[in-house]
Amino acid sequence: SQTIHQWPATLVQPVGSPLSLECTVEGTSNPNLYWYRQAAGRGLQLLFYSVGIGQISSEVPQNLSASRPQDRQFILSSKKLLLSDSGFYLCAWSVSPRGGVGNQPQHFGDGTRLSIL
Amino acid sequence: EDQVTQSPEALRLQEGESSSLNCSYTVSGLRGLFWYRQDPGKGPEFLFTLYSAGEEKEKERLKATLTKKESFLHITAPKPEDSATYLCAVRPLSGGYQKVTFGIGTKLQVIP
Repeated sequence: SQTIHQWPATLVQPVGSPLSLECTVEGTSNPNLYWYRQAAGRGLQLLFYSVGIGQISSEVPQNLSASRPQDRQFILSSKKLLLSDSGFYLCAWSVSPRGGVGNQPQHFGDGTRLSIL
Repeated sequence: EDQVTQSPEALRLQEGESSSLNCSYTVSGLRGLFWYRQDPGKGPEFLFTLYSAGEEKEKERLKATLTKKESFLHITAPKPEDSATYLCAVRPLSGGYQKVTFGIGTKLQVIP
């Protein structure tokens, strides 16, 4: 069966410090990968998605970047964190659509609670 | 712009008291509607996918239904362990498969 791992679970960082959150998926190959941010009282906001190694699409302009160095590894980074980067970050994966049959759900990790001081 | 509105925002039920959660959506063609359960401090857990109006899916005490404008998550004889936030999400026909819009959720509390 497929599993998704995110770490760390919680992180407290000072303003201006760098960030690296990691996500890995097991039990599947060539998944679509996603980074979301979930803010209180708001729906999940898609930040980045990737359909393959080195292929990253950004959904919103921001202080963050993403990379996919391996098939099942997705990394969220920042060079200098802002107070507004605080939030709950979720990584997700879905089966890559093939031949038009791609209406698969996204499956989420347990998230990283990021607090910026 | 795709929109998902969930109601009520919060719901408190006695154990065994059945009820329904609502998800109203506006999309220019629906590719799929998804229900998730989210426990505090955890990521959403996938429950159901619904594809077309009239479709129903069941899992234990939960049943999801779909019309052309809304979806309902019916909870029959809930137990305290059903307490969680339930999220609804829609994937439109237009755009890529990554285009999924989530609602804010309904926070369900089931009291023993």
